Amino acid sequence: AQKVTQAQTEISVVEKEDVTLDCVYETRDTTYYLFWYKQPPSGELVFLIRRNSFDEQNEISGRYSWNFQKSTSSFNFTITASQVVDSAVYFCALSEGAGNKLTFGGGTRVLVKP
Amino acid sequence: EAQVTQNPRYLITVTGKKLTVTCSQNMNHEYMSWYRQDPGLGLRQIYYSMNVEVTDKGDVPEGYKVSRKEKRNFPLILESPSPNQTSLYFCASSALPPGTTSNQPQHFGDGTRLSIL
Repeated sequence: AQKVTQAQTEISVVEKEDVTLDCVYETRDTTYYLFWYKQPPSGELVFLIRRNSFDEQNEISGRYSWNFQKSTSSFNFTITASQVVDSAVYFCALSEGAGNKLTFGGGTRVLVKP
Repeated sequence: EAQVTQNPRYLITVTGKKLTVTCSQNMNHEYMSWYRQDPGLGLRQIYYSMNVEVTDKGDVPEGYKVSRKEKRNFPLILESPSPNQTSLYFCASSALPPGTTSNQPQHFGDGTRLSIL
């Protein structure tokens, strides 16, 4: 069975600090897909990234970067130079290959103070 | 504009009174899914549908029903709602299921907040 754990329930930082969100997953499949979603205070879910299990390259998109490590079953997310607009709940999710289900972690609330 | 539309956005009702939350997408997506969001638990999948007339249980299907008679619509039915179904519900759609090679993310609706008294 697939499982996602986000151990940090809430992180509070001051603007311009970096913040790293941890995501640890469990799956028996060798093919799987990992996702990050952002849920701002307005409540909608915003897709951030999708990564398949065969691609361990780290990815950077502006101030966002992702570190995928199969050896530790982790897919961590870093916000560099955080801004108030980054305040949101962030969810990590997993889908096993050829799977029809998407399993989410419990989410990490990030509060960026000015 | 590509979107997933849920109705109602908010509903307060009483135990046992049947209700339906509608979900409609205009992207001709084959895959649709319902989730509920509860504090500390993230989003949990209730039901999903691979295509018209093809539905299957997610991780928390008890107390819910769905139907997929048309490609664009995927209503969530609570036949006899109970207080433990008080939650924030999201409908989502994508061209293909999440566990496929296509890099198509799921599109989520804006959510429906249900309170069952």
